[in-house]
Amino acid sequence: QQQVKQSPQSLIVQKGGISIINCAYENTAFDYFPWYQQFPGKGPALLIAIRPDVSEKKEGRFTISFNKSAKQFSLHIMDSQPGDSATYFCAAEVGNTPLVFGKGTRLSVIA
Amino acid sequence: DVKVTQSSRYLVKRTGEKVFLECVQDMDHENMFWYRQDPGLGLRLIYFSYDVKMKEKGDIPEGYSVSREKKERFSLILESASTNQTSMYLCASSLAGIEQFFGPGTRLTVL
Repeated sequence: QQQVKQSPQSLIVQKGGISIINCAYENTAFDYFPWYQQFPGKGPALLIAIRPDVSEKKEGRFTISFNKSAKQFSLHIMDSQPGDSATYFCAAEVGNTPLVFGKGTRLSVIA
Repeated sequence: DVKVTQSSRYLVKRTGEKVFLECVQDMDHENMFWYRQDPGLGLRLIYFSYDVKMKEKGDIPEGYSVSREKKERFSLILESASTNQTSMYLCASSLAGIEQFFGPGTRLTVL
């Protein structure tokens, strides 16, 4: 019940296209859903996060869509750029307990 | 800016050696975490700590121990390194229920 399932494992998108990464969870007590971005040789860094009281959050080209009834949330990257090529992790948390991470998606944006 | 530093970027050890990985954060965070990252397996939580001298097992604590004698420092110890502990090790810190900040990672190779 603590798992967060992330798909796809890898994704190749043309420059200017939309990248979509999906996550699903079981624990309805989760109340915080962040996305982390990791470039090669670096630690993950928070990209964007959402709480379940809203269905969407947008920051620049990055949008989280949240579907509470389906227990799913997704990251959309609009106008994807080669500089967005990285590994993306979704995660979920309830209260002050450790984040539960998805297994990651390696995104490659090709020109 | 929050800074999480790890003592080494790269480390090579021999089977059976005792290995210390050090992590220091400079933002007075209560929470600290150790993860290992392996291809296809994502981020797996080894141990975490919510206070000085406090530690909790994560998902994969076998073969590891930790020490937190000071609030800013969290050490991961491999009592007797084995080849299956070759991995990237990431330290993170956070305030309660807020963004986790990651260090750059230590790539450990056990020969």
